[in-house]
Amino acid sequence: LAKTTQPISMDSYEGQEVNITCSHNNIATNDYITWYQQFPSQGPRFIIQGYKTKVTNEVASLFIPADRKSSTLSLPRVSLSDTAVYYCLVVLLSGGYNKLIFGAGTRLAVHP
Amino acid sequence: SAVISQKPSRDICQRGTSLTIQCQVDSQVTMMFWYRQQPGQSLTLIATANQGSEATYESGFVIDKFPISRPNLTFSTLTVSNMSPEDSSIYLCSVQGARGEAFFGQGTRLTVV
Repeated sequence: LAKTTQPISMDSYEGQEVNITCSHNNIATNDYITWYQQFPSQGPRFIIQGYKTKVTNEVASLFIPADRKSSTLSLPRVSLSDTAVYYCLVVLLSGGYNKLIFGAGTRLAVHP
Repeated sequence: SAVISQKPSRDICQRGTSLTIQCQVDSQVTMMFWYRQQPGQSLTLIATANQGSEATYESGFVIDKFPISRPNLTFSTLTVSNMSPEDSSIYLCSVQGARGEAFFGQGTRLTVV
């Protein structure tokens, strides 16, 4: 399972775009990159998943360069409610179940 | 998506006692996962529970301490046995969707005194 490295914490202000980068140098060919968001006193929530290039949904965008050794989660125009811990995971999608290994995550604080 | 309900949402227990946490899913799933999240820390996988077979435990977790039941495809329990203050954590139940994305319950916040 590929190990991921993220910044421990980030600060931003309302209305700004936030980019959180994750390093996964040992990612394998069949691994996908997945991001989760966790608010206090709640379980993590799936945000977005991708294999390469760019993926966008209603919540975020995920940018993955050609070598796939890193990825960037982009949150457009953050609000106070985006204050949370964001986890980057590398997951092998084998058709069976996936054992998810969570790293330390990035604690994002959005200020007024 | 899957909706997961955990009971209890929180509890305060005396050391040496045991607590059983229930996890109910609104759809049938093959695998259910139990995680622990210690205060201020990330999630650690305790075990994977497959219906009809014994759970598979991760390194550092043993069945005697964390027995798991999986009686059917929508339900599982995790028991924290012979509790000590070091077991104070949030315990989370999880299942996975068709794309491999994980869904989590709201967690059970356990405090051992």
